[in-house]
Amino acid sequence: DGGITQSPKYLFRKEGQNVTLSCEQNLNHDAMYWYRQDPGQGLRLIYYSQIVNDFQKGDIAEGYSVSREKKESFPLTVTSAQKNPTAFYLCASSSRQGAFEQYFGPGTRLTVT
Amino acid sequence: AQSVSQHNHHVILSEAASLELGCNYSYGGTVNLFWYVQYPGQHLQLLLKYFSGDPLVKGIKGFEAEFIKSKFSFNLRKPSVQWSDTAEYFCAVLPPNAGNMLTFGGGTRLMVKP
Repeated sequence: DGGITQSPKYLFRKEGQNVTLSCEQNLNHDAMYWYRQDPGQGLRLIYYSQIVNDFQKGDIAEGYSVSREKKESFPLTVTSAQKNPTAFYLCASSSRQGAFEQYFGPGTRLTVT
Repeated sequence: AQSVSQHNHHVILSEAASLELGCNYSYGGTVNLFWYVQYPGQHLQLLLKYFSGDPLVKGIKGFEAEFIKSKFSFNLRKPSVQWSDTAEYFCAVLPPNAGNMLTFGGGTRLMVKP
């Protein structure tokens, strides 16, 4: 099945620890995105990547880092510098041509205590 | 700041009632518009989109949306909701010169009572 996988579904960490969220896609999409979803705030863009080995900050990049070494993978690291890391994180991808429709993964719920 | 607004945060309807969810944006120029839906426990998925042409767009599951340029709006409608429409709905805008980066509204949580 073509799609986007995110793992794990639930993640628990202690404050002060870095944690990496996985995102893999087999849709052959060039562009990938990370969003943070908080109640009442919709989806806010953290980082995006239009192509391998290139990425840009979104609206709320502080305290996060990414890498894009392979087309199909776009891991997100939530660092200890992120002040409010507990949230639902969504990964998405899209083709660079055509309709710009973004396809979403199932999400990872991160809880930091 | 430029933004996308969904004024209804929570909506509760009975089955067979009509639905209209508001979406307003503040970007000038040519925009592309989307509605996404997130059913409980499922992935966010595209409901419908508007790029150009007929401002009344038909989507999946009987949903439609109307683009009114003069009002900067793209409201989502369904004549008769079902219990299975219970979900969170997100409006998204692709502003001019934004590449393929969407800006999302805050979402509207719809509950349909059987």
